[in-house]
Amino acid sequence: AQSVTQPDIHITVSEGASLELRCNYSYGATPYLFWYVQSPGQGLQLLLKYFSGDTLVQGIKGFEAEFKRSQSSFNLRKPSVHWSDAAEYFCAVGSPGGSYIPTFGRGTSLIVHP
Amino acid sequence: GAGVSQSPSNKVTEKGKDVELRCDPISGHTALYWYRQSLGQGLEFLIYFQGNSAPDKSGLPSDRFSAERTGGSVSTLTIQRTQQEDSAVYLCASSLDFGGNEQFFGPGTRLTVL
Repeated sequence: AQSVTQPDIHITVSEGASLELRCNYSYGATPYLFWYVQSPGQGLQLLLKYFSGDTLVQGIKGFEAEFKRSQSSFNLRKPSVHWSDAAEYFCAVGSPGGSYIPTFGRGTSLIVHP
Repeated sequence: GAGVSQSPSNKVTEKGKDVELRCDPISGHTALYWYRQSLGQGLEFLIYFQGNSAPDKSGLPSDRFSAERTGGSVSTLTIQRTQQEDSAVYLCASSLDFGGNEQFFGPGTRLTVL
């Protein structure tokens, strides 16, 4: 069975600082990997996804993530955070050829200080 | 084009009453998911519909929960004899087919059981 761990419940950064949100997964092969963002009162929006190929994935809003097979990680990064990035971030894993139901992490709440 | 819509956006009910939550997926999306998001928790999978196949109900927490999808489009999640622990945000998502594709989420229905 697949699983996802987001070890940080809350992350606080200053506006303009760099950001890295951690995501570790458990899956027997190369999974599908996703990062979603949820702004207050909104549904989730896809930031980026990894299926195969280049392990560095570029997404919307200046975000990127790197798939590291050896570490079973898919960390989300942004070089300079804006106040509007304050939101909840969810990592998810899907299994190619297996369950059709992605598994979501518990989320990381990003707080941005001015 | 139109995204996933959900209604109502907020629902307050009394313990023991039945509630119906509605989801209108994106036209042409064959896969539809329901999730529950409780305060401080991640997304809890409830049920998955894919085309004309039998739904995957493995995430429904009790027999008080049921869902149907009419004509491969609109879905209704019904909670009978609501309990206070049912209070949560109920999210609906749709995708082109299986979980390898991006899920598009609705804004959710916030359910409060008094």
